[in-house]
Amino acid sequence: GAVVSQHPSRVICKSGTSVKIECRSLDFQATTMFWYRQFPKKSLMLMATSNEGSKATYEQGVEKDKFLINHASLTLSTLTVTSAHPEDSSFYICSARGGQEANEQYFGPGTRLTVT
Amino acid sequence: GQNIDQPTEMTATEGAIVQINCTYQTSGFNGLFWYQQHAGEAPTFLSYNVLDGLEEKGRFSSFLSRSKGYSYLLLKELQMKDSASYLCAVIDSNYQLIWGAGTKLIIKP
Repeated sequence: GAVVSQHPSRVICKSGTSVKIECRSLDFQATTMFWYRQFPKKSLMLMATSNEGSKATYEQGVEKDKFLINHASLTLSTLTVTSAHPEDSSFYICSARGGQEANEQYFGPGTRLTVT
Repeated sequence: GQNIDQPTEMTATEGAIVQINCTYQTSGFNGLFWYQQHAGEAPTFLSYNVLDGLEEKGRFSSFLSRSKGYSYLLLKELQMKDSASYLCAVIDSNYQLIWGAGTKLIIKP
């Protein structure tokens, strides 16, 4: 089956620093990748959609200069949280669409970010 | 390995009741989510179970048995708008989300 991985799984950083999260599709080419943020016991909030080789499309209210997304290849997308603050602490989840079932969406295991 | 199983597709009739099962084998357990996802949209949170038993929320209920590694989502008084995919996800001991492949629910009039 289609597998999506994220790295790191957990990261703790100091306020003001930047953190990069990688999302990889391991056995298929992801034409589209999505980045979500989850708050406790709440729905996944879509942050942005990225297509390989083009700029990401951000959802309303998401600061594109703070959450930098790069989708450089068909198997890798990165989310960089710049100048992190404690309120950025959250669970960040990516998903990828592509592979044999072009309309299926495969979710990564998430990255837990804690900003101190 | 870690595994979540749920049926690929189910069909039910408008007004009826449907139960979507989810079984899991994970390294540790810190809770189970059910999400609803309509095509082209982000998943919507439905329920979170961490203790055994039934949690009821309107037309939707979710049940958990940790000893059996089993959960189900019960949808009552089905409406056409309930046609969607339903995703089961478990948080393991490392606080990683393990996702099921989702169950596509088709509602017929």
